[in-house]
Amino acid sequence: DQQVKQNSPSLSVQEGRISILNCDYTNSMFDYFLWYKKYPAEGPTFLISISSIKDKNEDGRFTVFLNKSAKHLSLHIVPSQPGDSAVYFCAATSQGGSEKLVFGKGTKLTVNP
Amino acid sequence: NADVMQNPRHLVRRRGQEARLRCSPMKGHSHVYWYRQLPEEGLKFMVYLQKENIIDESGMPKERFSAEFPKEGPSILRIQQVVRGDSAAYFCASSTNDRGYEQYFGPGTRLTVT
Repeated sequence: DQQVKQNSPSLSVQEGRISILNCDYTNSMFDYFLWYKKYPAEGPTFLISISSIKDKNEDGRFTVFLNKSAKHLSLHIVPSQPGDSAVYFCAATSQGGSEKLVFGKGTKLTVNP
Repeated sequence: NADVMQNPRHLVRRRGQEARLRCSPMKGHSHVYWYRQLPEEGLKFMVYLQKENIIDESGMPKERFSAEFPKEGPSILRIQQVVRGDSAAYFCASSTNDRGYEQYFGPGTRLTVT
């Protein structure tokens, strides 16, 4: 039962353009969402997060949007840079519980120079 | 060192041997989580520990797997009598007491069972 879904296994974008990575969830108990970036043979690196009381959070080139009614979130990277090429994981959790993270399968982003 | 530390980075075991994976959380972090990543998959939660306590082990296989986080020293994930299906990347994450949902990950241990 995949509670967090990233339906695009890969995405290719030109340098300088916008990258949009999407994530859907099914569990309405999730109230905190995170994006992680992962390079091969390394651990995931925390990028940005959003609480369910917000619909947008911005940090530099990264913006996360949350649509609670659609159970959908997206990560926007603008402008995209070749160093952004990595696998991006969406994760969700319920605050106040054990706060274990439930991950999607990831989207491999390639930014072409 | 401010980062989450894991060792060894790579571990090769024959079927039937034991594997011990170690994790030292970030300084000031009292919560440790273990996740496993199979090839082409996302990370799957295994266990959540605080010092000397297992808080949630709902993701741990019922047999052969155990975890501890003693008062002193690193957290240990122990896999007894390893099988080929245990081959995976095992990641440890840590967090503070008041922001458990913001977890910082170590570099992982890649276990290969031959």
